[in-house]
Amino acid sequence: DAGVTQSPTHLIKTRGQQVTLRCSPKSGHDTVSWYQQALGQGPQFIFQYYEEEERQRGNFPDRFSGHQFPNYSSELNVNALLLGDSALYLCASSLSGQGARNEKLFFGSGTQLSVL
Amino acid sequence: QKEVEQNSGPLSVPEGAIASLNCTYSDRGSQSFFWYRQYSGKSPELIMFIYSNGDKEDGRFTAQLNKASQYVSLLIRDSQPSDSATYLCAVRFSGGYNKLIFGAGTRLAVHP
Repeated sequence: DAGVTQSPTHLIKTRGQQVTLRCSPKSGHDTVSWYQQALGQGPQFIFQYYEEEERQRGNFPDRFSGHQFPNYSSELNVNALLLGDSALYLCASSLSGQGARNEKLFFGSGTQLSVL
Repeated sequence: QKEVEQNSGPLSVPEGAIASLNCTYSDRGSQSFFWYRQYSGKSPELIMFIYSNGDKEDGRFTAQLNKASQYVSLLIRDSQPSDSATYLCAVRFSGGYNKLIFGAGTRLAVHP
């Protein structure tokens, strides 16, 4: 049973560039959430995808966008990179629907993005 | 602004002692509470969850919830050096889907 997989593991970009991060959810999961974790901080919610649509969004600018594919995998795109975008980007998968069983998030190993 | 607050630490405890980690949250309507452990350079790993007032025990871990005080804690008994990590408190606030709000985490150091 494959867990949540993310690629790439590390990425170095320069200011103004664009980046795409990828995530495959845990087998059987249909909901993908993206988090940004700056050094020494807790994960900050970016957005969540379900049924190929953005279901809810945190306080992140429009430079951050995403997509979910029919196989539930997801991409996070960040345009016009800023130095402050340097962080660990975490993908988490879960099941849709109400109920305690569906609320647990399972995280991938993350993508460490460095913007120079 | 819905918030989750944790003491950043570090919390230093000797091996074999009880480590007590605390978390407060701002939304009284919150229903679900989670503790994640994060080793340096790794991703968060779910270790405990609690939904009802009172205590929930799982091995050396006990989660405690007091909704009236908007307070949740994690106790680690017989602390081991391998427990040294950052512990993240996460809350599902009312009105959201499975969106968890995380605290900044408490760094725990267990010394031999």
